[in-house]
Amino acid sequence: SQELEQSPQSLIVQEGKNLTINCTSSKTLYGLYWYKQKYGEGLIFLMMLQKGGEEKSHEKITAKLDEKKQQSSLHITASQPSHAGIYLCGADEANFGNEKLTFGTGTRLTIIP
Amino acid sequence: GAGVSQSPRYKVTKRGQDVALRCDPISGHVSLYWYRQALGQGPEFLTYFNYEAQQDKSGLPNDRFSAERPEGSISTLTIQRTEQRDSAMYRCASSSRDTQYFGPGTRLTVL
Repeated sequence: SQELEQSPQSLIVQEGKNLTINCTSSKTLYGLYWYKQKYGEGLIFLMMLQKGGEEKSHEKITAKLDEKKQQSSLHITASQPSHAGIYLCGADEANFGNEKLTFGTGTRLTIIP
Repeated sequence: GAGVSQSPRYKVTKRGQDVALRCDPISGHVSLYWYRQALGQGPEFLTYFNYEAQQDKSGLPNDRFSAERPEGSISTLTIQRTEQRDSAMYRCASSSRDTQYFGPGTRLTVL
């Protein structure tokens, strides 16, 4: 089965600074999903990437999928306290979507003033 | 509804008791998924449905775990004879196409 490794496991960043979280797969990623988890809440969908070299942005968050489709990065520009939480990458194991997702262990992001 | 809802949000039970966890998906969503998340880990797949048909139950840990979605909407995950190792956050998600939307989860504690 697919394994996803996230790095770093935790990150403490000063407000206003940029940061990057990585997600690496042992196999080709057919669909790569980024979610954000806050305590007491569900997983909030951020972005989904499917094509090699694809890049998507939403507000100050940008996610990329490399050409080989085995690594994705999530970049936050000018971080804010609202960005704090646990970021999870999830991968679609099948080549036709809408199947079970395998998740990484998450990256805990703390924003300090 | 506006999003995926789950009930109860918290469940504390004694070892050996049966529990039923409910998931109400986003209206019209065909697929429904159950995951289990241990502290400090990402969610792990349990099972999923398309409409009322259970498509994959390979993630269910053992035969104490079962799930149903009889009318293709609300789903129930049942754990019989609960054990302490069953304690976790149980998450439900639904999707209509590519993206799975998650509910707030049910935190199960088995004493």
